[in-house]
Amino acid sequence: GAVVSQHPSRVICKSGTSVKIECRSLDFQATTMFWYRQFPKQSLMLMATSNEGSKATYEQGVEKDKFLINHASLTLSTLTVTSAHPEDSSFYICSASAQRNQPQHFGDGTRLSIL
Amino acid sequence: ILNVEQSPQSLHVQEGDSTNFTCSFPSSNFYALHWYRWETAKSPEALFVMTLNGDEKKKGRISATLNTKEGYSYLYIKGSQPEDSATYLCASPGGNEKLTFGTGTRLTIIP
Repeated sequence: GAVVSQHPSRVICKSGTSVKIECRSLDFQATTMFWYRQFPKQSLMLMATSNEGSKATYEQGVEKDKFLINHASLTLSTLTVTSAHPEDSSFYICSASAQRNQPQHFGDGTRLSIL
Repeated sequence: ILNVEQSPQSLHVQEGDSTNFTCSFPSSNFYALHWYRWETAKSPEALFVMTLNGDEKKKGRISATLNTKEGYSYLYIKGSQPEDSATYLCASPGGNEKLTFGTGTRLTIIP
């Protein structure tokens, strides 16, 4: 079945560091990928829609300059948390779908801890 | 923004018993309803995508029903096994495929 690979799975770094997270579709092409964030004891919250070859679409309240998204190819989207601070500590996960109206395939997620 | 709700939040079930839980969603402008199983330390796994009112889908011991007119879906697990322990998420996409997730039902099967 379709596989989405996400890495790194765990990042611990100092405040002020920028962190890049990669999301790859391994056996299908994805013109659209989604980035989610999960706060403790809450559900997955959509942050942005990553569109291949064009700008990402951010959800209300998500700072586009803080969370930079690049979708340069049909199999790779990256999320960069710029100048990360402790409040950015969270679980980030990406997903992609091989076709419209098909289920999403998720990466394993990235646990980000900013000290 | 869609309002997708799940209940109960958590559930403990004895091994061998059957169980079910609920997902409610807006009945207007409905496109589809997704169910995912999310086991600890793994990525969410798609169970079902349902689109038609009255749909019933089955995958092994797990089945789901859909009522789009009243805005709810049930997920059933028959003869629960320890490997069924997971968080079960439902989600509804808008017309642009963006999924709005419920908060999930955390299921624990007691051996």
